[in-house]
Amino acid sequence: EDQVTQSPEALRLQEGESSSLNCSYTVSGLRGLFWYRQDPGKGPEFLFTLYSAGEEKEKERLKATLTKKESFLHITAPKPEDSATYLCAVQAGWDSGNTPLVFGKGTRLSVIA
Amino acid sequence: DAGVTQSPTHLIKTRGQQVTLRCSPKSGHDTVSWYQQALGQGPQFIFQYYEEEERQRGNFPDRFSGHQFPNYSSELNVNALLLGDSALYLCASSSDVNTEAFFGQGTRLTVV
Repeated sequence: EDQVTQSPEALRLQEGESSSLNCSYTVSGLRGLFWYRQDPGKGPEFLFTLYSAGEEKEKERLKATLTKKESFLHITAPKPEDSATYLCAVQAGWDSGNTPLVFGKGTRLSVIA
Repeated sequence: DAGVTQSPTHLIKTRGQQVTLRCSPKSGHDTVSWYQQALGQGPQFIFQYYEEEERQRGNFPDRFSGHQFPNYSSELNVNALLLGDSALYLCASSSDVNTEAFFGQGTRLTVV
């Protein structure tokens, strides 16, 4: 069974204090690993897709990396507006069409000014 | 581009009632997936529609059903509502070629 575990569950940072969120996964043939940002009561906002080990992607203060067993979301010099829940999801298999996303429970990030 | 739009944004229903939620996919997308997200949890896959057919289904009872229309929009129907069906219902659209899924803002369903 495909599984995604995110840690920590919650993280509180001072503004400017860099840190990393972890996403460990087990999947039968990784098709893609996805990071989303979710604000309270809203739908997830797409951030990144990573497809193979060693791949990295950056967007503003965020950088996502991927190994064969886990992904990290690095947040450099965070600001209060980065406060949100960050969700990690995997898509497994290489069947035709889109297989469903399997999500972790998320990491709730709070950045204090 | 309006992105993925869902309606309504909030809904309150009584146990035993039926509900229909609606989703319009992002322009250019032909695949619609529905997810249920309980408070403090990650989204759970309900089912996916492509070419007006249910292509895949998660571990949800038959009370959950759906439909996709020729313009790719979709509906999620839930019959005989239970208190445990209270959740944020999310619609995600993607293209069959590109697997990146984009989500709507969700419908918050409360069953009382």
